[in-house]
Amino acid sequence: NAGVTQTPKFRVLKTGQSMTLLCAQDMNHEYMYWYRQDPGMGLRLIHYSVGEGTTAKGEVPDGYNVSRLKKQNFLLGLESAAPSQTSVYFCASSSTGTTPLYEQYFGPGTRLTVT
Amino acid sequence: EDKVVQSPLSLVVHEGDTVTLNCSYEVTNFRSLLWYKQEKKAPTFLFMLTSSGIEKKSGRLSSILDKKELFSILNITATQTGDSAIYLCASAGGNNRKLIWGLGTSLAVNP
Repeated sequence: NAGVTQTPKFRVLKTGQSMTLLCAQDMNHEYMYWYRQDPGMGLRLIHYSVGEGTTAKGEVPDGYNVSRLKKQNFLLGLESAAPSQTSVYFCASSSTGTTPLYEQYFGPGTRLTVT
Repeated sequence: EDKVVQSPLSLVVHEGDTVTLNCSYEVTNFRSLLWYKQEKKAPTFLFMLTSSGIEKKSGRLSSILDKKELFSILNITATQTGDSAIYLCASAGGNNRKLIWGLGTSLAVNP
């Protein structure tokens, strides 16, 4: 199993450009999450999904949109990139099965730079 | 507001030392506390502690949960340079499956 994969691994955008980050998981997990990680700020939840077709806002959702059209995929979109969105983005997933119930499995991350 | 606080934020030790990392939490309807290790990539799961499992051990790493005082510690004995990483603590509460994350402790183990 590949686990959680993210595409692309690196990206440089200019202010105002748009892009989509793709997360895919092959573990049949119901829950998926998008985080950003900045120095000194820890992991901050952007959006999450509790199942196909359902998404919800996390603590820092502004400037981002998400979609979960298929259970295995969770897309994060930036419509008009800003330098403040320069960060490392992690996707994660978790299951509804038996213990450990709350363990989240992380993808390798996408390093995004907005100039 | 739910929160998780880790201390210290950074730590430098020598190989062979024993370290203790701290994590305090205030989470509504606490369900579990998780420890992750993050090297220069994605966080990887170490332990999960719950009301029914307040102590975990794996090799040189061990962790306990104090439900009364609302904290957890992660101990690493006989540290090695490969233990250098950021150690993240997170807590789950309620039924929403979101984790509340601490800022992490950056551990550097010097040879």
